[in-house]
Amino acid sequence: GAGVSQTPSNKVTEKGKYVELRCDPISGHTALYWYRQSLGQGPEFLIYFQGTGAADDSGLPNDRFFAVRPEGSVSTLKIQRTERGDSAVYLCASSGRTDTQYFGPGTRLTVL
Amino acid sequence: AQSVTQLGSHVSVSEGALVLLRCNYSSSVPPYLFWYVQYPNQGLQLLLKYTSAATLVKGINGFEAEFKKSETSFHLTKPSAHMSDAAEYFCAVSDRDSGTYKYIFGTGTRLKVLA
Repeated sequence: GAGVSQTPSNKVTEKGKYVELRCDPISGHTALYWYRQSLGQGPEFLIYFQGTGAADDSGLPNDRFFAVRPEGSVSTLKIQRTERGDSAVYLCASSGRTDTQYFGPGTRLTVL
Repeated sequence: AQSVTQLGSHVSVSEGALVLLRCNYSSSVPPYLFWYVQYPNQGLQLLLKYTSAATLVKGINGFEAEFKKSETSFHLTKPSAHMSDAAEYFCAVSDRDSGTYKYIFGTGTRLKVLA
C-alpha cells in the first residue's frame, strides 16, 4: 500500500520568500506529525494533528510557521518570510490506531 | 518529561562483527521506545519497537534490542554487520505523558561498516 508522501522533495527559495510543504499521510491515519531535522541532528517535533485540529503546536519555532489539515488528510506546512536558519529536512509522519509513526521521505528546504 | 541519549555519534565496525548502538532514556511513565534507520536522502524506517510486552524485541534486518528498566537502556544490536547496514540510526521515545505520542529523538548514531 501507499506510504506517506511529501512534496516537493527539494525546495530552494530565497530569504524572505513564502513556502508551502505538503504531506499526504497513509489513508485512514488520523494522527499526523511534522518534524524538522537539521544537519547532523535528530528530528525535532513541530506540530501534531489529530483529525483536522492541531492538538499540539508547541514545537513550532515562531509565528512564521503554520500548518493546516483542513479535511483531516493532507497537511500543509507553511513558512512565511523564510530565513537561512529554516534550512533543514522537514519530515511528516502519520499514525493509525497504534503509537507507531510512519515517515515520509522528507522535503529538503534550502533558503539562500 | 521524556528524553533520549545516544552515546557515540559515529560507530565503526568490521563486516561480520557485532553491532552495538547505545540508547538511554528518561521517562516519567513506562516508555514506548523505538529504533529507526535512515539511509542517505531517505526518510525514517522503523526497525523495531518496545511497547511494554517482551523486553527482548526483534526487528527487521536481523536487529534486536533489549529493554532494561534498571539501566534505563534500550540498546540496539546485530550479531553480524553487513555492508548494507551502513546508515544513521535513531532511538526515540514516545511522549505518552502529554497524550500526543510525539517522538523525542536522540541525536543519532552513524554506523560505518568496514570491509
